[in-house]
Amino acid sequence: AQSVAQPEDQVNVAEGNPLTVKCTYSVSGNPYLFWYVQYPNRGLQFLLKYITGDNLVKGSYGFEAEFNKSQTSFHLKKPSALVSDSALYFCAVRLPPSGSARQLTFGSGTQLTVLP
Amino acid sequence: NAGVTQTPKFQVLKTGQSMTLQCAQDMNHNSMYWYRQDPGMGLRLIYYSASEGTTDKGEVPNGYNVSRLNKREFSLRLESAAPSQTSVYFCASSEAGIGGTEAFFGQGTRLTVV
Repeated sequence: AQSVAQPEDQVNVAEGNPLTVKCTYSVSGNPYLFWYVQYPNRGLQFLLKYITGDNLVKGSYGFEAEFNKSQTSFHLKKPSALVSDSALYFCAVRLPPSGSARQLTFGSGTQLTVLP
Repeated sequence: NAGVTQTPKFQVLKTGQSMTLQCAQDMNHNSMYWYRQDPGMGLRLIYYSASEGTTDKGEVPNGYNVSRLNKREFSLRLESAAPSQTSVYFCASSEAGIGGTEAFFGQGTRLTVV
């Protein structure tokens, strides 16, 4: 079975400061890892993914995430937060396909608030 | 460039009523999914369809049925709605059999069962 944990329900950060949204996962095998963002009354939007290769992945809107296999983590980061980054962020894990579709398993979400 | 389209956007049902949530994607994706989103619980998979003609249960299938009408469309039916089904429902699609492709989501259906 695969699972994802986002240990913080809420993260507050001042505009211009770096931000980190934490994610840890549990899966047997080599996972595919994703970050999605949800703005109010909208569907989820894809931010970035880790498949293989470089542990630092860059995505949309200046976000990046670092895959750490030994700590089974995939934390989302941004060097300088914007008020417009305030949203609900979801981490997700998926096992590589092996002849059939594999569904995403989502974390419970972290509400990021960037304070002006 | 519509992506994933869900209808309706909002719905209020009385307990025991039935309804069908519609979903269509125009990206030629093989896999489609229905999730529900509840506060503090993230997204939970209700049903998914790996390809046209196949459907499988997800984490929380009880009280729901699905139909993969064709490659584009994947509907979710509530036969006898219950207050516990009050939630926001999201349809998503993705490629299958190709490593690491992301899912694309619709804007959601906010359902209230009274």
